[in-house]
Amino acid sequence: AQSVSQHNHHVILSEAASLELGCNYSYGGTVNLFWYVQYPGQHLQLLLKYFSGDPLVKGIKGFEAEFIKSKFSFNLRKPSVQWSDTAEYFCAVALTGGGNKLTFGTGTQLKVEL
Amino acid sequence: DVKVTQSSRYLVKRTGEKVFLECVQDMDHENMFWYRQDPGLGLRLIYFSYDVKMKEKGDIPEGYSVSREKKERFSLILESASTNQTSMYLCASSRDRGLSGNEQFFGPGTRLTVL
Repeated sequence: AQSVSQHNHHVILSEAASLELGCNYSYGGTVNLFWYVQYPGQHLQLLLKYFSGDPLVKGIKGFEAEFIKSKFSFNLRKPSVQWSDTAEYFCAVALTGGGNKLTFGTGTQLKVEL
Repeated sequence: DVKVTQSSRYLVKRTGEKVFLECVQDMDHENMFWYRQDPGLGLRLIYFSYDVKMKEKGDIPEGYSVSREKKERFSLILESASTNQTSMYLCASSRDRGLSGNEQFFGPGTRLTVL
């Protein structure tokens, strides 16, 4: 069965620091990749997604992620975090042809301090 | 805007009770999903449905069942609630069964406590 690993469970950064959250998946076939974010007290919402084409995808609020097929990775980055980025971040993978089922990682709690 | 609503934000039930969690989406989506979210475990898929009256087991279906009598509504049923079912339950929906990986839209969640 496929799996998704997020190695950083808790990350604490100061404002303006750069962010990189790791995501690795185990499946060797064609995949679609997602990052979701859950701000405190809010719904889970899509941050960005990769289906095909340019492996560097840009999402909302200045986030981007790079798909590196050879490393089975889809790391999330932001050059300068803000206090409002404090949230829980989830990586998710869908198998192409897998009928829209997503497998989620265990999440990373990001806390940005002023 | 897609809206996915869940019947309760907070629910407290006793062990052995039958519990119904309701989810409604207003965008005519074919696919609907139930997850549970637990600290350190992320989101785990309980059941999903591609169409009315169709259901498929996810990764952790034990102790749960579902019902989808109408396209917009997907219910999660705990036949006999147990304390290990205390969790946050999230409903999601998405369109287009044939296009893998379409975005899932989530409801606000129901925090269920079983005493």
